Amino acid sequence: GQNIDQPTEMTATEGAIVQINCTYQTSGFNGLFWYQQHAGEAPTFLSYNVLDGLEEKGRFSSFLSRSKGYSYLLLKELQMKDSASYLCAVSLFSGGYNKLIFGAGTRLAVHP
Amino acid sequence: ETGVTQSPTHLIKTRGQQVTLRCSSQSGHNTVSWYQQALGQGPQFIFQYYREEENGRGNFPPRFSGLQFPNYSSELNVNALELDDSALYLCASSPNPTSGGPYSTDTQYFGPGTRLTVL
Repeated sequence: GQNIDQPTEMTATEGAIVQINCTYQTSGFNGLFWYQQHAGEAPTFLSYNVLDGLEEKGRFSSFLSRSKGYSYLLLKELQMKDSASYLCAVSLFSGGYNKLIFGAGTRLAVHP
Repeated sequence: ETGVTQSPTHLIKTRGQQVTLRCSSQSGHNTVSWYQQALGQGPQFIFQYYREEENGRGNFPPRFSGLQFPNYSSELNVNALELDDSALYLCASSPNPTSGGPYSTDTQYFGPGTRLTVL
């Protein structure tokens, strides 16, 4: 089966740094996505990693280690608007197409 | 804004009824995927359409069906609604069939979703 684990909830202080971890065990791997989802809204794309290493994009960075089945999303200089759920998703290539398998999401609460 | 739109925003149905949800893909995208997201969970893959054909399906029963039209808009139909079908239904479009094999995938862009409540 496919298994993607991430913490259920995290809290952090405005201006701080937070790291959200994701571990996965999947049959097949074609990259890992991070999405941000505010309550009642659509997931919005944050980052994509397919090779090992760190991808930096402004205040957000994402890291991947394929050998360890591990990724993290790093959020710097936290703002109140960063309070949201963060979804880790693995892209699987099977049967001639790619599909996304999502973790349950990590609810991040940023407080003053 | 992703350019992906969905209608309706909210819908209330009773058990046993049928429902049709609609999605308009981002311009230039010919692939659409549908997901079901229960409260507090991540989205679950239902199926994917490319050029009006279903080219992949998740673990959902046949009463979940879909259509994709020549303009790449699509529909999700659910028959014989059950209480557990209450969820947020998301469609996501991407620019190609994402079938290029390993190290070839395309970002999926999500619409705002349809919140379905089954009573």
